[in-house]
Amino acid sequence: AQSVTQPDARVTVSEGASLQLRCKYSYFGTPYLFWYVQYPRQGLQLLLKYYPGDPVVQGVNGFEAEFSKSNSSFHLRKASVHWSDWAVYFCAVSPHSNYQLIWGSGTKLIIKP
Amino acid sequence: EAAVTQSPRNKVAVTGGKVTLSCNQTNNHNNMYWYRQDTGHGLRLIHYSYGAGSTEKGDIPDGYKASRPSQENFSLILELATPSQTSVYFCASGPGGVNYAEQFFGPGTRLTVL
Repeated sequence: AQSVTQPDARVTVSEGASLQLRCKYSYFGTPYLFWYVQYPRQGLQLLLKYYPGDPVVQGVNGFEAEFSKSNSSFHLRKASVHWSDWAVYFCAVSPHSNYQLIWGSGTKLIIKP
Repeated sequence: EAAVTQSPRNKVAVTGGKVTLSCNQTNNHNNMYWYRQDTGHGLRLIHYSYGAGSTEKGDIPDGYKASRPSQENFSLILELATPSQTSVYFCASGPGGVNYAEQFFGPGTRLTVL
């Protein structure tokens, strides 16, 4: 069955440090993949998307993600986090067969001053 | 500015009462979705729509109805609200076509059923 796993419910990093949020997917074939961000008390916003092509995709605010078919992963990275990155990050996969998204459970990013 | 708006933003309802959550989008998107978000569950799809007049069941449709009277509007209806339906509800729209998977979210409605 198609699924998305975000193994870390919570990640704490110091401001200015680098960041990696993990996402593993289960899907037969090459999926479309997404990272969304949810700031406190707001809706979700699209951070970046992967459609088959270059495995490294750039998003807003310095975020990037790398697709790995061999590892079934789509990890999110940022070179230097800012306090304003404090949010919950969701990974999602599109199964192609319909217009739905399969969501991970989210990773809460906490920034230490 | 294209946007997805939801009303009300906060709602307190009584058990057994009827609740209607409204969503409006100015993105001119064909697809619209209703999700609920609960701690530990992430986002769960309740109903979705491919266009005016269409509604489809998502993963957790029991206890909910949906209505899509126009391209812009998509409502979620709780005919007999229960405390288990206390949650934050998000509406989203999506363009369909080659970018069919992208979704654009409203700010959410916090529903409390007492």
